[in-house]
Amino acid sequence: QLVLTQSPSASASLGASVKLTCTLSSGPSSYAIAWHQQQPEKGPRFLMKVNNDGSHNKGDGIPDRFSGSSSGAERYLTISSLQSEDEADYYCQTWVSGGVWVFGGGTKVTVL
Amino acid sequence: QVQLVESGGGLVKPGGSLRLSCAASGFTFKDYYMSWIRQAPGKGLEWVSYITSSSSYTYYADSVKGRFTVSRDNAKNSLYLHMDRLRAEDTAVYYCAINGESGSYPAYWGQGTLVIVSS
Repeated sequence: QLVLTQSPSASASLGASVKLTCTLSSGPSSYAIAWHQQQPEKGPRFLMKVNNDGSHNKGDGIPDRFSGSSSGAERYLTISSLQSEDEADYYCQTWVSGGVWVFGGGTKVTVL
Repeated sequence: QVQLVESGGGLVKPGGSLRLSCAASGFTFKDYYMSWIRQAPGKGLEWVSYITSSSSYTYYADSVKGRFTVSRDNAKNSLYLHMDRLRAEDTAVYYCAINGESGSYPAYWGQGTLVIVSS
């Protein structure tokens, strides 16, 4: 069973950058993933799909300061010029054969 | 714009049943796969189920297989989740979502409806 591992928390100062990591178990480096943001007391929002070659496709209205990349079994979400509204939980997610979706445990981002 | 509005949540006793609905608007509902995802209080996201555009195929997480049934009515632009034999661990906010390309991820999310299973 594929597992997605995320650090529980990350923090950075207002205006700085933060890079979140999602690690795919057993090194299945061919998998694409999706990143989702959940601000406090809100439903999640799709940010982008990140392919295994590092290319990414963003959702509607997602600012340029959100970007994705990839290296081996790791998928990244980088938030540049951190804003207060970026304080949220971020989840990675992928899909496997048989129609099953898998979510990572989420990373809570704090803006200092 | 795309809107997904869930309803039907509430308090139900263990072993009981509940049907959730998701009203969709702002896109051609019949063309998209749809999904349910849930989030227990203070926990992360857990995929529950998804259904293809013409209801030909349905998929379920092991935790709900045999108890939950996903369905849709394309004429009414509505998605449903019928939940039977509910357990305390089914307590969560339930979100409906539109699947992205190849049905591979939730591209748009609703705001959720809370289900509490408690005696």
